[in-house]
Amino acid sequence: QVQLQQWGAGLVKPSETLSLTCAVYGGSFRADYWSWIRQPPGKRLEWIGEISQNGSTKYNPSLKSRVTISVDTSKNHFSLNLTSMTAADTAVYYCARERTQWPSFDPWGQGTLVTVSS
Amino acid sequence: DIQMTQSPSSLSASVGDRVTITCRASQRISNYLNWYQQKPGRAPTLLIYAASSLQSGVPSRFSGSGSGTEFTLTISSLQPEDFATYYCQQSYSSPQEYTFGHGTKLEIK
Repeated sequence: QVQLQQWGAGLVKPSETLSLTCAVYGGSFRADYWSWIRQPPGKRLEWIGEISQNGSTKYNPSLKSRVTISVDTSKNHFSLNLTSMTAADTAVYYCARERTQWPSFDPWGQGTLVTVSS
Repeated sequence: DIQMTQSPSSLSASVGDRVTITCRASQRISNYLNWYQQKPGRAPTLLIYAASSLQSGVPSRFSGSGSGTEFTLTISSLQPEDFATYYCQQSYSSPQEYTFGHGTKLEIK
């Protein structure tokens, strides 16, 4: 059974870069797509982007200029970098597996509350 | 972008009640509709995919239906652990355009 565990800084200063990492345990890391999703306080979930095991990426157009998702297949890890953070980026950030048999997200990481504040 | 609208935004119900939540897409999405449950302080979990397929391990009191632009999630007999927020999500478009509904908060009456 696939499990995701994520970590990273919970407090980021304005204009700085958010870095989060997600480790994948169990299952086949190479068979699926791996996504980042965020949920600002009181707002709906927003898909940020995804990466495949071969490093192919897709990003939300609204964030594309600031987002980089990378993968380390030797560690079964994938990471999110989001530059030029502002208060509007304050959110709970989740990593998740996008299933190949049907486009849906399962399972999810536990979430990281990221607050942008000086 | 495909907009997803859920109704109601919140709902009060009692244990044992039958509950239905609706999700409408701004354009036809065939059956590319998923439902998630989120409890406070927890990550969402997948309940239903492809509009009506029950995710493994999810109780059979949950069911989904619909196609095109209108979809429903039904809980046949509410249990105490079902009080949570429910989200729909369309996966019809490319990943760059995946969108979620704003959520329906199900509360105890």
